[in-house]
Amino acid sequence: GAVVSQHPSWVICKSGTSVKIECRSLDFQATTMFWYRQFPKQSLMLMATSNEGSKATYEQGVEKDKFLINHASLTLSTLTVTSAHPEDSSFYICSARDETGTGWPGELFFGEGSRLTVL
Amino acid sequence: AQTVTQSQPEMSVQEAETVTLSCTYDTSESNYYLFWYKQPPSRQMILVIRQEAYKQQNATENRFSVNFQKAAKSFSLKISDSQLGDTAMYFCAFMLRANSKLTFGKGITLSVRP
Repeated sequence: GAVVSQHPSWVICKSGTSVKIECRSLDFQATTMFWYRQFPKQSLMLMATSNEGSKATYEQGVEKDKFLINHASLTLSTLTVTSAHPEDSSFYICSARDETGTGWPGELFFGEGSRLTVL
Repeated sequence: AQTVTQSQPEMSVQEAETVTLSCTYDTSESNYYLFWYKQPPSRQMILVIRQEAYKQQNATENRFSVNFQKAAKSFSLKISDSQLGDTAMYFCAFMLRANSKLTFGKGITLSVRP
């Protein structure tokens, strides 16, 4: 299947700093990517839909200025957590569709996740 | 809006036995897709099985099968011959169209005992 890669897999930062997480589709192009947040032992909560070449669509309750999403190319979306605070510590996961692949077009492929710890 | 409910937070099963994970959902639509995802300790999300709502036949993938009851809006996952590697968190998920977002249930932690 298609491969989605996230970087970094784990990042520790100081409170007040900004952190960027990358999501790349390695062997396919993705016009749409999704960003999720997951707390320990809990479900994946959709934060936003990242659209290549246009603004992201944020879910209700997600601060747009806090979680900046940029989808500048068909293989890369980035999530920047601005002015991070300890409550932003979480596991962040991205997913993408291989819309031109040979499999079922709706299948979502997930990155391996990025653990953010804010001190 | 669609909702997905997984009411069992944890389950445990003996290796080689069969276990069923429950899921219910709510939607007013007639065509949609349902999924079970596995998230092992590595945290990598893995698709276990997919069911199209317009198909009456229950989906199967090797040891994994579903019991899809459309009228009851129920979508349970049966794992046969449980293996230690099946230990993971399992999420039931709903997708309205093939190009839309996934809505996840709360998940269930499954432990397979040796």
